Amino acid sequence: TQLLEQSPQFLSIQEGENLTVYCNSSSVFSSLQWYRQEPGEGPVLLVTVVTGGEVKKLKRLTFQFGDARKDSSLHITAAQPGDTGLYLCAGNSGNQFYFGTGTSLTVIP
Amino acid sequence: KAGVTQTPRYLIKTRGQQVTLSCSPISGHRSVSWYQQTPGQGLQFLFEYFSETQRNKGNFPGRFSGRQFSNSRSEMNVSTLELGDSALYLCASSLVGGHSYEQYFGPGTRLTVT
Repeated sequence: TQLLEQSPQFLSIQEGENLTVYCNSSSVFSSLQWYRQEPGEGPVLLVTVVTGGEVKKLKRLTFQFGDARKDSSLHITAAQPGDTGLYLCAGNSGNQFYFGTGTSLTVIP
Repeated sequence: KAGVTQTPRYLIKTRGQQVTLSCSPISGHRSVSWYQQTPGQGLQFLFEYFSETQRNKGNFPGRFSGRQFSNSRSEMNVSTLELGDSALYLCASSLVGGHSYEQYFGPGTRLTVT
């Protein structure tokens, strides 16, 4: 059983389209991180959200932490081929760090 | 500041052998965690070391072990390799303190067991 469930699992879109990736849990997290991973490499940290309801923007990426700190979303505006990769949410609950199931995004030129 | 480094990047071993992977964290980071990543199971937590002590452990058999040295460098050992141990092994380091607990990953070691 995964503590963090992501949806969708796979996403293939055309360049210029918008998309949203969801990260859900029944547990409360003190913080959530989003990572992007490219094939054969380690995940790269994109952002950390800490406060319930917090919204952070990173260029065309918008991250939101749910009010109850159980879920998060990542919205990409006008996707580019360079956005292609595996998007992972992660968070710490208790003393352990959990990763989500991942969303594999392909942006077609 | 240099990032997390892992050696070797690629490794091919035979079933039954053992393997040791190495990780050097970002300078000043005292926590090192290890993860196994496979297409079927995703990223799964192996264990975390802090100040040379194992602080947390995931649900993996005893064949998987690790240690951390006084300079925070860490090694992971897998004994009696099985075909199912083929995976990307990732090491991540983090600063301890605060509640964000951000992790910074190395490029991983791709282990293939034949």
